[in-house]
Amino acid sequence: AQSVTQLDSQVPVFEEAPVELRCNYSSSVSVYLFWYVQYPNQGLQLLLKYLSGSTLVKGINGFEAEFNKSQTSFHLRKPSVHISDTAEYFCAVRVANFGNEKLTFGTGTRLTIIP
Amino acid sequence: DVKVTQSSRYLVKRTGEKVFLECVQDMDHENMFWYRQDPGLGLRLIYFSYDVKMKEKGDIPEGYSVSREKKERFSLILESASTNQTSMYLCASSFSGSGHNEQFFGPGTRLTVL
Repeated sequence: AQSVTQLDSQVPVFEEAPVELRCNYSSSVSVYLFWYVQYPNQGLQLLLKYLSGSTLVKGINGFEAEFNKSQTSFHLRKPSVHISDTAEYFCAVRVANFGNEKLTFGTGTRLTIIP
Repeated sequence: DVKVTQSSRYLVKRTGEKVFLECVQDMDHENMFWYRQDPGLGLRLIYFSYDVKMKEKGDIPEGYSVSREKKERFSLILESASTNQTSMYLCASSFSGSGHNEQFFGPGTRLTVL
């Protein structure tokens, strides 16, 4: 079975500073990887996803993530954060089998932007 | 724009009550999902459905059941609510196929069981 680890439960960052949110996964088969964001009092929305091809994936709101197969990681980065980036971020993994629709989520990282 | 709506944002129930959480999507998605979200535990899958009247257990189905009589609607049922079911419940939907497909989430229902 696959699993996802987000080691940092909370990350405080000053406004306009860079940020990296870490995600490591475990799986014996090929996977698809996702980052979702949850703004206060809202549901989750997709930031970006890695399916295949280029290991650097760009998403919405200036975020990007890099897939590293040897380190089984999919860390999320943004070069300069804004107050509006305050949210909870979830990494998720799905086994790359046709018809498999189940996502396994990490425990989330709460990003707090300090003015 | 895909829309997933949930019947209530906040719900307060008493122990032992039967609770229905409703979810409706307007994009003709085949798949629908129910998760619960708890601090420090992330999202955990309760049940999902890949077609009308079809359902599969997720990781934590105990104490829950589901119903999908129409494609657009997926209901989560707590037969006899207990205090340990106090949580945020999130519904999601997606197209079937390659596994690439994004899940679209509703705003959530925060359920408190007293």
